[in-house]
Amino acid sequence: GAVVSQHPSWVICKSGTSVKIECRSLDFQATTMFWYRQFPKQSLMLMATSNEGSKATYEQGVEKDKFLINHASLTLSTLTVTSAHPEDSSFYICSAPEDFTDTQYFGPGTRLTVL
Amino acid sequence: QKEVEQDPGPLSVPEGAIVSLNCTYSNSAFQYFMWYRQYSRKGPELLMYTYSSGNKEDGRFTAQVDKSSKYISLFIRDSQPSDSATYLCAMRPGAGSYQLTFGKGTKLSVIP
Repeated sequence: GAVVSQHPSWVICKSGTSVKIECRSLDFQATTMFWYRQFPKQSLMLMATSNEGSKATYEQGVEKDKFLINHASLTLSTLTVTSAHPEDSSFYICSAPEDFTDTQYFGPGTRLTVL
Repeated sequence: QKEVEQDPGPLSVPEGAIVSLNCTYSNSAFQYFMWYRQYSRKGPELLMYTYSSGNKEDGRFTAQVDKSSKYISLFIRDSQPSDSATYLCAMRPGAGSYQLTFGKGTKLSVIP
């Protein structure tokens, strides 16, 4: 199947700093990508839909000024957590549906710890 | 009522057992149904993907969809310790809408 990568796989940062997470579709184009957050022993919660060449669509309750999303190309979307706080510590996962097949593939996730 | 209901378990079975996992849903617009497997601290891995009602088999895995009952199942035959993971059901409406709605996930442990 298709492969989605994320970088970094884990990151520790100080409170108040910003962290950028990259999501790449390695062997297919993805016009749309999704960003999820997953807390321990919880299911995935959709944060936002990233669209190549246009603004992201955020789910209710997700601060768009705090979680900046950029989908600059058909293979790359980035999520920047600005002014991170300890409550932002979580597992962030991206996914990408492969164009023309509808099959959605997930990245391996990025574990963010804010001290 | 949540859109997708899934018993979180945990579920423990002996090696070689048949495992039955299931989800119920309330939104009749869902047309595509998926099962993902997620190991601890990893991203979900697509296991099965079905459209509308019916059965689909892939090796030891069988997915069933009953749209009239709004009920989907995943069966694992000859379960192995390596099957120990959390299994998430997911579903979405018709073509053109990629947004998935997930169940909470069922944590499965296969005991050697």
